[in-house]
This record gives sequence, structure tokens and C-alpha cells, in this order.
Amino acid sequence: RKEVEQDPGPFNVPEGATVAFNCTYSNSASQSFFWYRQDCRKEPKLLMSVYSSGNEDGRFTAQLNRASQYISLLIRDSKLSDSATYLCVVIPLLSGYALNFGKGTSLLVTP
Amino acid sequence: ETGVTQSPTHLIKTRGQQVTLRCSSQSGHNTVSWYQQALGQGPQFIFQYYREEENGRGNFPPRFSGLQFPNYSSELNVNALELDDSALYLCASSSAGGDDEQFFGPGTRLTVL
Repeated sequence: RKEVEQDPGPFNVPEGATVAFNCTYSNSASQSFFWYRQDCRKEPKLLMSVYSSGNEDGRFTAQLNRASQYISLLIRDSKLSDSATYLCVVIPLLSGYALNFGKGTSLLVTP
Repeated sequence: ETGVTQSPTHLIKTRGQQVTLRCSSQSGHNTVSWYQQALGQGPQFIFQYYREEENGRGNFPPRFSGLQFPNYSSELNVNALELDDSALYLCASSSAGGDDEQFFGPGTRLTVL
């Protein structure tokens, strides 16, 4: 079983829609959680950190459920520019800060 | 732009050859991590260098090796290339300690024929 699992999609949604991505992780000792965004043939870029208390940044909301080992990302009012792959990232405890990536979820926002 | 640069941008090699990829870290950063991203997959951690020492390694064979220099730039060396080594190789720089953000370079796309 992979340490970080995501639904690969693709998710095809119209502009203005709300879309949610889910991610599960297997290492209960994981200490830090993030969502990264990766545009086609580009490097990953940090979208936001994820906390148990929830984290909101404009149209984006991330949530962590440690008991269920589950991370979510909600995008409201989708824009064409949100089209990208969204990567769930976990840092296990004592890993030397190695980022442990999921496979990514592909999002396509259409006019 | 993150200030992290990588060279070359693209590279084509044949099986059995050796390759060296280079990364210049962002100013003020002393930690470099290397990742391999195969097509359709998320990046996989290869290893991390902090102050010229290897500071953690993922599940990659010894033919993947690295160096970090006093200016904190880094090299990734891969010996005896295999077809499955074809991937985007990403380096990321950060400051040491905690879960400080890692800033990625644009990557080197390696094709092994």
C-alpha cells in the first residue's frame, strides 16, 4: 500500500464549480501535511499547509483529520487557471524532512 | 521564480551510461533535496544534503549518488543508467530545520534509450 494515496482523477468541472480532493496517508506518525500544485511539465509549488484546525486561503480550504489519516482540499468558484495537478504531501516523523508525495489529482476547469 | 536553477534542462542518454545533474540552491538555503518524478507519478524522494553531508535517503539503489558543495549547490550522479531512470529530476532547496518550505527548481528531464 502506498504511503500517500489520492484519486488520480481527472476531475473535469465547469468554471464556478466547487471541487474537493481527498488524500489518505498510512503513517500515523506523520508530522506535517501540505498541498502542492503542479502545472503541466513544471515544478511543484506549495499551495498551502494543512492543519487539524483547518486552513483557508481565499477560495482554497484544506483540512486534516488525524484520527482518520485523511487530508482534504476544497476549491470554491473554480477558475480556468486552477487547472493543474494537485499533489498531497506528507512528512513522516523522523524522515529528515523528506516530502512524501501522492500520485496527484488532475483537475481540468472548463469554460 | 524560486531562484533554484538546474542544468541541463533536457538530456538523452543510453543504457549503461552515467549522468550528472546539477542544482544551484536559492540564496540563503543550505539544504538540497533531490526527487525523481516518473511520468504520471508524484515525485519520489532520492536523498537530501545538508551542509555537504547526506541527511536522509529514500528507496533508491547506490548507483544514485550525490554531492553538495561549500556554496550549497549540489550534484546528482546516476551510474549504469536503466530505461526506468527516464524521468524528471527535481531538486529543492530549503533552510535546515522544521518543516521549512522546499522550493523546487524547474527540473531536468532525462530520457534513457
